[in-house]
Formats: sequence, C-alpha cells, structure tokens
Amino acid sequence: GAVVSQHPSRVICKSGTSVKIECRSLDFQATTMFWYRQFPKQSLMLMATSNEGSKATYEQGVEKDKFLINHASLTLSTLTVTSAHPEDSSFYICSACRQGANTGELFFGEGSRLTVL
Amino acid sequence: QQQVKQSPQSLIVQKGGISIINCAYENTAFDYFPWYQQFPGKGPALLIAIRPDVSEKKEGRFTISFNKSAKQFSLHIMDSQPGDSATYFCAASQNTGFQKLVFGTGTRLLVSP
Repeated sequence: GAVVSQHPSRVICKSGTSVKIECRSLDFQATTMFWYRQFPKQSLMLMATSNEGSKATYEQGVEKDKFLINHASLTLSTLTVTSAHPEDSSFYICSACRQGANTGELFFGEGSRLTVL
Repeated sequence: QQQVKQSPQSLIVQKGGISIINCAYENTAFDYFPWYQQFPGKGPALLIAIRPDVSEKKEGRFTISFNKSAKQFSLHIMDSQPGDSATYFCAASQNTGFQKLVFGTGTRLLVSP
C-alpha cells in the first residue's frame, strides 16, 4: 500500500521555539494533504487542509499564524508550530490523498509527538 | 450535523469472540464510510471501508454493516484476537474531492487472551 512518512516521530523543545514537522508521500504524488491533532485517548481533530502550490485551508479555531503549513511539492507538506508553548504538546498526524484516487483513500503518517517544556 | 457518533467508548472481548462497534451519522450527504485501526503511538491505518450502495462488506475477519435508512454503520470483528487490541475509529466523508474525513470519537478494544 501507499506509504506516508512523518519526521520527526518525537520532538521535545523549549517553550518559545519553533518546530517543523515533515510529511512525505513516498510512493505517490499528493495534491492534498491533511494535518490532524490528537490528544491522549481522543479522536483526530482536523487542523488544516494543505494544497500543493496554494495556501492551506484552516479549520475554525486553528490559528494559521501559529501553525504554518507549506505544501511546496507533490510529495512534501510541512507543519511548523511557531513559538511553541506547553499547551501545543500533542500528537500531530498527517494524511495524504493519492492523486486521482477515489474519495476517501487517505493514507496516514505514523504521527509526530511534540512535547513542549 | 457533521458529527459521527461512535459507541461504545471501550470494549473488552474474549479471544475468539465477536467485537461490535457502532457509528451513527446525521449528514445524508456522506457517501464514504471507512474504519481505521490505531495502535498506541502510531497513525491510523485504513481497515475497511464501505459506500452506501451496499449494505455489507466483508474482508477477512472484518465486516461492515451499513443501514442507510437508519444512518448507522457498524464494524464486526469475528474471532477477535489479542493482536486486534487497538483503538478503532469510524469516519465519514462527502465526495467533495478533498476527502475531508469526519472521525468518530474512537473505541478502545481490548481482547483478552
């Protein structure tokens, strides 16, 4: 099956620093990628939709200046958590839609656990 | 109307038993209903999915039952194994071309040996 890779899988940073998380589709091109946030024992919350070559679309309540998304190529989207604070600590997961695939065929990354001290 | 309600929140099943997880939705525009399996510290993996034109889909030990009139769908895991212990999420989406999934709240399944 299709593979989506996330890096880093775990990151610990100090409060006030910025952290970049990468999401790569390894064996297919993805015009659309999604970024989710998941708190312990809770469901996935969609943060934003990342579109190659255009601005990301953010869900209501998600600060676009706080969570910068860049989808510069058909295989890479990045999420940068700017000026991170302890409340930003969470599990961040990306998913990618294979170009030309049927509705709903999303492939998820392994997730990135961010801990802000 | 965008919500997908999932139950139970947690489930304990003996090895060899049947695990049943239920989901309900309101938005009649939803036309794709996948189930995802997630192990701790990992991303979700697609398990099985169904579209409204069929009432049941089976893949190995996993079966989705779909009731369009009731706006409900369920996952049945036959001959449950300890390795099935994970969190299961149902989801739904519209054919918008963006595959924007709405997730259920998740069910933590524990299969006892």
